[in-house]
Amino acid sequence: AQRVTQPEKLLSVFKGAPVELKCNYSYSGSPELFWYVQYSRQRLQLLLRHISRESIKGFTADLNKGETSFHLKKPFAQEEDSAMYYCALSVGMSRDDKIIFGKGTRLHILP
Amino acid sequence: GAVVSQHPSRVICKSGTSVKIECRSLDFQATTMFWYRQFPKQSLMLMATSNEGSKATYEQGVEKDKFLINHASLTLSTLTVTSAHPEDSSFYICSASGLLGLEETQYFGPGTRLLVL
Repeated sequence: AQRVTQPEKLLSVFKGAPVELKCNYSYSGSPELFWYVQYSRQRLQLLLRHISRESIKGFTADLNKGETSFHLKKPFAQEEDSAMYYCALSVGMSRDDKIIFGKGTRLHILP
Repeated sequence: GAVVSQHPSRVICKSGTSVKIECRSLDFQATTMFWYRQFPKQSLMLMATSNEGSKATYEQGVEKDKFLINHASLTLSTLTVTSAHPEDSSFYICSASGLLGLEETQYFGPGTRLLVL
């Protein structure tokens, strides 16, 4: 079954500390994975996608096919990183069209 | 647990016809529903935000008369693509936001693939 799991509903991290938001997926094919962020009272925004291998706002995520993970990391948390983060798995864009979101992790950066 | 469903999951229609897509929240009341569109290899694009019982708020560049949104109840929102054309072919995703316990929570539907011939 295709699934995205974000095990932490809430993650509190002190400012300046490293951040890791966990995401595990279940999919037998070649996955296309995304991280989306939603700041308070704002729309959902794409943070990054594994294909582009970019670093956005200091965040990176590496696809680990062996562990079926796509954890989001940042070495030093900033207060403005407080937001809701969603991991998403896109399952093909032709025959088996589906996008599966995790339930989200609320990141709270403590001063 | 809370789930958002979309129906249909896939629809093929002729150019000029209208298509209705339903978004339902299961096990919770969605005060706000969002409609997104995703083009191949691109991120989600917010089309509109709808609150139960009121008119939807459309994003810039999204035609209100083309994409009719109705949020008649706390568990159902519909998106109707009127007089569909091939350029409307896309992947449409809804999300529903509501209070679960004391927290405002958002869940996403699985998406609907629309193909206009």
